[in-house]
Amino acid sequence: GAGVSQSPRYKVAKRGQDVALRCDPISGHVSLFWYQQALGQGPEFLTYFQNEAQLDKSGLPSDRFFAERPEGSVSTLKIQRTQQEDSAVYLCASSSLQGYSNYGYTFGSGTRLTVV
Amino acid sequence: GENVEQHPSTLSVQEGDSAVIKCTYSDSASNYFPWYKQELGKRPQLIIDIRSNVGEKKDQRIAVTLNKTAKHFSLHITETQPEDSAVYFCAASKGGNKLVFGAGTILRVKS
Repeated sequence: GAGVSQSPRYKVAKRGQDVALRCDPISGHVSLFWYQQALGQGPEFLTYFQNEAQLDKSGLPSDRFFAERPEGSVSTLKIQRTQQEDSAVYLCASSSLQGYSNYGYTFGSGTRLTVV
Repeated sequence: GENVEQHPSTLSVQEGDSAVIKCTYSDSASNYFPWYKQELGKRPQLIIDIRSNVGEKKDQRIAVTLNKTAKHFSLHITETQPEDSAVYFCAASKGGNKLVFGAGTILRVKS
C-alpha cells in the first residue's frame, strides 16, 4: 500500500481484557517496528522484525505483550490481561533495510488504546 | 543504553523568525539522528535526518547540525510559518534499528 496501515484506529478495553492490534506495512518493506507512545511523551521502542524474524524484543514491558509477523508482512501486537498503564498510542513503522541499517522509517497513524 | 535529552520542551516564536531545538545523546556509538514532526492526533513524520559521517544537512527551510565530539545535534527552522506548529522529536540510534526518542518540543508559531 501507499503507507503503513494500522487497525483499529481506537480501542477501548476493560481491564483484564485481551487486545490485538494490527499493522500492515508498506509493501516490500523488510523491517517492521512497534513503538508505544504515552500521552505527551516520545515514542518508546517495543520490538523489531526483519521479515518474519523477531530480532529484538527488548522493549516489550512484560510477558503480557507479544508480537508476531508470521509471513513477513502483516504484524499483530497482542496484549493480554490489559492494565490501565497499557493505555497509550501504539505506533507501527516500516522501513526498507539498507545493509544492516534502517533509515527513514515511515510510521502508521497508530492505535489509541484506552484501558478502563 | 542510549539516553536522549531534548530542549526546550516548549518554544514560541513569531512568524518569520527562526527556531532552534537541541538534543544531546549519551552513546558515542550512535550514528543516525532523525527528526520527526507530529501534529496533534497524527503520526510522526520524518522531516530530516543526518548520519554521523556529515556535520550538517539542509533541506529548504530546515537544517540539522551534528557535533559528534560533544554528542549533540540541533534542528534549525528558518522563516517559520504557522503550519510549522507541531511537536518535534529528535532521536538517536545505531543504524536506525532501535530509535531512542527525546521527550519532544512543542513549537508554536504566532502569526
